[in-house]
Amino acid sequence: NAGVTQTPKFQVLKTGQSMTLQCAQDMNHEYMSWYRQDPGMGLRLIHYSVGAGITDQGEVPNGYNVSRSTTEDFPLRLLSAAPSQTSVYFCASTGGTAYEQYFGPGTRLTVT
Amino acid sequence: AQSVSQHNHHVILSEAASLELGCNYSYGGTVNLFWYVQYPGQHLQLLLKYFSGDPLVKGIKGFEAEFIKSKFSFNLRKPSVQWSDTAEYFCAVSYNTDKLIFGTGTRLQVFP
Repeated sequence: NAGVTQTPKFQVLKTGQSMTLQCAQDMNHEYMSWYRQDPGMGLRLIHYSVGAGITDQGEVPNGYNVSRSTTEDFPLRLLSAAPSQTSVYFCASTGGTAYEQYFGPGTRLTVT
Repeated sequence: AQSVSQHNHHVILSEAASLELGCNYSYGGTVNLFWYVQYPGQHLQLLLKYFSGDPLVKGIKGFEAEFIKSKFSFNLRKPSVQWSDTAEYFCAVSYNTDKLIFGTGTRLQVFP
């Protein structure tokens, strides 16, 4: 089992560029989520999905889109990058008892 | 609103000192409680979790946490810290759903 994988590990974008952060899991988990981590703010939920074809907004969804065409994949799209989106992004999937979340290794994004 | 508070933002200890990190969640009902650890440059890993039964939960690496329902608390403890415990620690709660709410984190530095 690879668990939760994310690509790329690092990315630098210019303001206005778009890109997609990839996330995949091989544990057959229905629930997947995207967080951003900023110093002093912990992890904030961007979007989540309870299964293929179903997505919903989290705490900080503006500027991000998601889709869930398969159980395995949950990409996060930045439509027009802004410096405020400079952050570390983590994807997670939930399974097992007590809703335990499994995290990917993260993507460090810098927007200049 | 549902929230999680971690009162200690930055803790500095010497090796062999005892550790207690505070965590409070906003209101009652059925909860599942978690502590995650993030070592420098790495992703979040589960340290321990509580979902039912004995309110004293033992996790990996000698950590434990006690769920006190009357105080809405789930404090993390370790009797004797090591330099390798230097990391950021996140408390999280789910209200019987897949959605996790995270605290803002506590940065622990342990000096030899």
